[in-house]
Amino acid sequence: EAGVAQSPRYKIIEKRQSVAFWCNPISGHATLYWYQQILGQGPKLLIQFQNNGVVDDSQLPKDRFSAERLKGVDSTLKIQPAKLEDSAVYLCASSTGETQYFGPGTRLLVL
Amino acid sequence: DQQVKQNSPSLSVQEGRISILNCDYTNSMFDYFLWYKKYPAEGPTFLISISSIKDKNEDGRFTVFLNKSAKHLSLHIVPSQPGDSAVYFCAAKTSYDKVIFGPGTSLSVIP
Repeated sequence: EAGVAQSPRYKIIEKRQSVAFWCNPISGHATLYWYQQILGQGPKLLIQFQNNGVVDDSQLPKDRFSAERLKGVDSTLKIQPAKLEDSAVYLCASSTGETQYFGPGTRLLVL
Repeated sequence: DQQVKQNSPSLSVQEGRISILNCDYTNSMFDYFLWYKKYPAEGPTFLISISSIKDKNEDGRFTVFLNKSAKHLSLHIVPSQPGDSAVYFCAAKTSYDKVIFGPGTSLSVIP
């Protein structure tokens, strides 16, 4: 069974630029999550989708971050404009129950 | 406000000995606890979980102990192997809310 796919794996941008990340969850997983993991910290939930509806986006900085999951499968997370403090690993995960399955993450560096 | 704490950023153990990773939490409403393991450049992978109605769960070399009165859980790995060297995240959730991750403990198993 294929795991959660994410791209790109690495991205370097300058502050105030835009960036987008893509996630393809495990087939059949209705729930999809985007996490931000800053160095030395645990993953922090940004947004959770159930199919194509948002379940929790309470920690998503909505002035600059947006996410969508059209058709309830793939998802994109966008940052516009990026700030230095957005440098982190962005993890996508999917689940059918309590256990979440994570992708390899996208490492973002904002200069 | 850190609801899930892992006070030891790192731990070194000799191969064959027991590794004990500790986790403390503050939210008494948490009713499900998980441990994830993360290798460099990969996403976290699920290791073991425990419901608040239990005080112990075992899976091969991995055992998780839960002390609800102390709001403390621990992960025991015995015997430890070099391949266990990774960052271990403790995580907790309520039945109606998102998973909260601790900051992680980096385990090094020395051959």
